[in-house]
Amino acid sequence: GAGVSQSPSNKVTEKGKDVELRCDPISGHTALYWYRQSLGQGLEFLIYFQGNSAPDKSGLPSDRFSAERTGGSVSTLTIQRTQQEDSAVYLCASSATWGRAGANVLTFGAGSRLTVL
Amino acid sequence: GENVEQHPSTLSVQEGDSAVIKCTYSDSASNYFPWYKQELGKRPQLIIDIRSNVGEKKDQRIAVTLNKTAKHFSLHITETQPEDSAVYFCAASYNNNDMRFGAGTRLTVKP
Repeated sequence: GAGVSQSPSNKVTEKGKDVELRCDPISGHTALYWYRQSLGQGLEFLIYFQGNSAPDKSGLPSDRFSAERTGGSVSTLTIQRTQQEDSAVYLCASSATWGRAGANVLTFGAGSRLTVL
Repeated sequence: GENVEQHPSTLSVQEGDSAVIKCTYSDSASNYFPWYKQELGKRPQLIIDIRSNVGEKKDQRIAVTLNKTAKHFSLHITETQPEDSAVYFCAASYNNNDMRFGAGTRLTVKP
């Protein structure tokens, strides 16, 4: 596609429910990132996928958070048993393989705004 | 992993003045240092970047400097304009892998 697509754009859920957030990166981009941005805060690293390599999960805040990337393309971020502190905008970004044109640019999606009541 | 510190967290300047934002990084292997601008309600976008083989890069009113020995880099905006108001993020990585961002600087340019 022309850009990074994320869905849903907005999600309101009740505490304790599970949620899935989806990211469609730019076609051909091998690198995919998930970041979390709480209101007025910075870009908190969550997880990084690069090609077929094992993902860097070091930013996931707890074992309630997990992410997959199927076929090297679409990624799903799952939050189990959501808590109010999980409320934030979850941003996905992708980039091309280093050495290829445009590889220096992270293209961000519009984000998924999660509100946990 | 890489740890990036950024300051100040907020910066207010008068239109026409210069603004400087500073970042430090922890991993000496990092070789790529981009800066992203996030306007209110929008997604971050790359505005300038620098690689470790150069010490300074300019693009019109913005410039970035890098001191590899001290592991710090800075963003300089000259002749600031109200449309420069935004949150600016620095980042560091090795070959654009595993990009880690600073906490951001909210720049306000007062007309």
